[in-house]
Amino acid sequence: EAGVAQSPRYKIIEKRQSVAFWCNPISGHATLYWYQQILGQGPKLLIQFQNNGVVDDSQLPKDRFSAERLKGVDSTLKIQPAKLEDSAVYLCASSLGPSAKDTQYFGPGTRLTVL
Amino acid sequence: AQSVSQHNHHVILSEAASLELGCNYSYGGTVNLFWYVQYPGQHLQLLLKYFSGDPLVKGIKGFEAEFIKSKFSFNLRKPSVQWSDTAEYFCAVHPGGKLIFGQGTELSVKP
Repeated sequence: EAGVAQSPRYKIIEKRQSVAFWCNPISGHATLYWYQQILGQGPKLLIQFQNNGVVDDSQLPKDRFSAERLKGVDSTLKIQPAKLEDSAVYLCASSLGPSAKDTQYFGPGTRLTVL
Repeated sequence: AQSVSQHNHHVILSEAASLELGCNYSYGGTVNLFWYVQYPGQHLQLLLKYFSGDPLVKGIKGFEAEFIKSKFSFNLRKPSVQWSDTAEYFCAVHPGGKLIFGQGTELSVKP
């Protein structure tokens, strides 16, 4: 079965520019997650969707980050404007449901460098 | 706030050596515990998980972990490591709602 797809794989931008990341989850997975992984740290959940509704966005910096999953399948994460501290790998994951027993499958990530 | 602490940032072992990676969490209630692994150039993937029952759980590739409730620990072990075990290992807890990851331990196995 196809895994979680993400694009682009790498992105370099200047601070104050905007950037968008795309994620296509595993077919049939209702729950989608976006994580931020800063170098030397573990992934940190930014936002969780159940179908096209937001379940948890408590750690999403809403003044500059936004995310949507309009049709309950693909999702985009946007940063506008970017700051130097946004340099990180952005991981998308999906699972059948939101339960701890539903394994989360991760994509390859997008490595963002903000100069 | 819930947190996960991994004791070692970088571990270097020779092949056939035994491995133990420490993981402690801070959460007083029922927890679900995980170890994830990221091999070089690959996606983060699940290594093993604990929900309830036997506190010694076995995962893929000969790994196992022991849940010790009194110590709030979930250490990862392997009796004999191989060069192919070189990877970054993440402990995570799911106290209800979301996964919380530790900072990761990089394991380098020398052939």
